[in-house]
Amino acid sequence: DAKTTQPPSMDCAEGRAANLPCNHSTISGNEYVYWYRQIHSQGPQYIIHGLKNNETNEMASLIITEDRKSSTLILPHATLRDTAVYYCIVRVAPSITQGGSEKLVFGKGTKLTVNP
Amino acid sequence: EAQVTQNPRYLITVTGKKLTVTCSQNMNHEYMSWYRQDPGLGLRQIYYSMNVEVTDKGDVPEGYKVSRKEKRNFPLILESPSPNQTSLYFCASSASTVGHGYTFGSGTRLTVV
Repeated sequence: DAKTTQPPSMDCAEGRAANLPCNHSTISGNEYVYWYRQIHSQGPQYIIHGLKNNETNEMASLIITEDRKSSTLILPHATLRDTAVYYCIVRVAPSITQGGSEKLVFGKGTKLTVNP
Repeated sequence: EAQVTQNPRYLITVTGKKLTVTCSQNMNHEYMSWYRQDPGLGLRQIYYSMNVEVTDKGDVPEGYKVSRKEKRNFPLILESPSPNQTSLYFCASSASTVGHGYTFGSGTRLTVV
């Protein structure tokens, strides 16, 4: 089972911020939160990841709550091309997985539709 | 260009005829993984590899084999394909250090009749 819970769908107006929530209440101290998106049936695309601090890159911002039990992916100015399924997953920090696992469980994600 | 290359992109085959889907990455990544995607079931991990000669099962390994003889290649082998293996398959790779997500290939759409 996925370690994360996301709403199945969301809508957003073009030009507005899209805020996609994710619950990961059983996250461990050495697990990062990663976000990916999949446009139609293309290969998923990495967006951003974080451990406990908020992160920002050219694509999005990631806000992680202080207790790390939930996070929000923010697309600051959504465009029609941001319409996709967004996946939130947790992953043990790769540098400490020696003897560990890269077994990753994707949930069903959130289908974001950006409307004109 | 940094990429994960899967071949073929589309394949129609018959039940029981062994096939291999190739996956190659040019980023010197240690980690590689195979997923299948089916309507309503999302992405499910088949096998993953954390380095050459190191592979392990994901959530749905039955009916599949993998090998990692070289760092860049991670082929997916279906020894005796069945119709329930009709699916969209993705290969992905990642560096073994913090700060990297997985790079996915473009997918292989397999139909077993």
